[in-house]
Amino acid sequence: QKEVEQDPGPLSVPEGAIVSLNCTYSNSAFQYFMWYRQYSRKGPELLMYTYSSGNKEDGRFTAQVDKSSKYISLFIRDSQPSDSATYLCAMSAATSGTYKYIFGTGTRLKVLA
Amino acid sequence: GAGVSQSPSNKVTEKGKDVELRCDPISGHTALYWYRQSLGQGLEFLIYFQGNSAPDKSGLPSDRFSAERTGGSVSTLTIQRTQQEDSAVYLCASSLTGQGALQPQHFGDGTRLSIL
Repeated sequence: QKEVEQDPGPLSVPEGAIVSLNCTYSNSAFQYFMWYRQYSRKGPELLMYTYSSGNKEDGRFTAQVDKSSKYISLFIRDSQPSDSATYLCAMSAATSGTYKYIFGTGTRLKVLA
Repeated sequence: GAGVSQSPSNKVTEKGKDVELRCDPISGHTALYWYRQSLGQGLEFLIYFQGNSAPDKSGLPSDRFSAERTGGSVSTLTIQRTQQEDSAVYLCASSLTGQGALQPQHFGDGTRLSIL
């Protein structure tokens, strides 16, 4: 079993829809949870990161962490064609004072105009 | 300011040749990471440098892979005697530090390596 599971998609939605992207994980030691957006032929770009359970909002993006269920989500409101990209979740825990990141495989999102 | 810079952006080479990939991190970032991204796979951790400490090489897939970081800044990833399964995008990331409170990683655009 992978430490982080993420549905690869692709996920196609109409412009203006609410998008829900999710990851599950198995390691209860994970403390930090991140979402990256990766456009084609570009490196991942950090969207949001959170520490602990709960919600964090930034503009049209909301990150949600449920540690009891080992489940994280990214919601995109009023989705735009420019949101079309691959979204990677990432998690981290301190090991001997340093951090390693574990990434999901990414969900490909297509927002149709 | 300048982000993480990687070169070359694309590299095509024949099986058995050696390749060198370069990463120039964000100025002042002491932590540097190399990852490999294959189609349909997540980012696979390769190696991590933190300041002047010994690097964490636990993700290197074989002894054909090596990396160094000179002067705490630029890093090169070397793959010797390349194999077709080495074909992937090699991504470099840097962060302010890799210790203490988590600092987010900033990625370059990667080197697309194709082994013929």
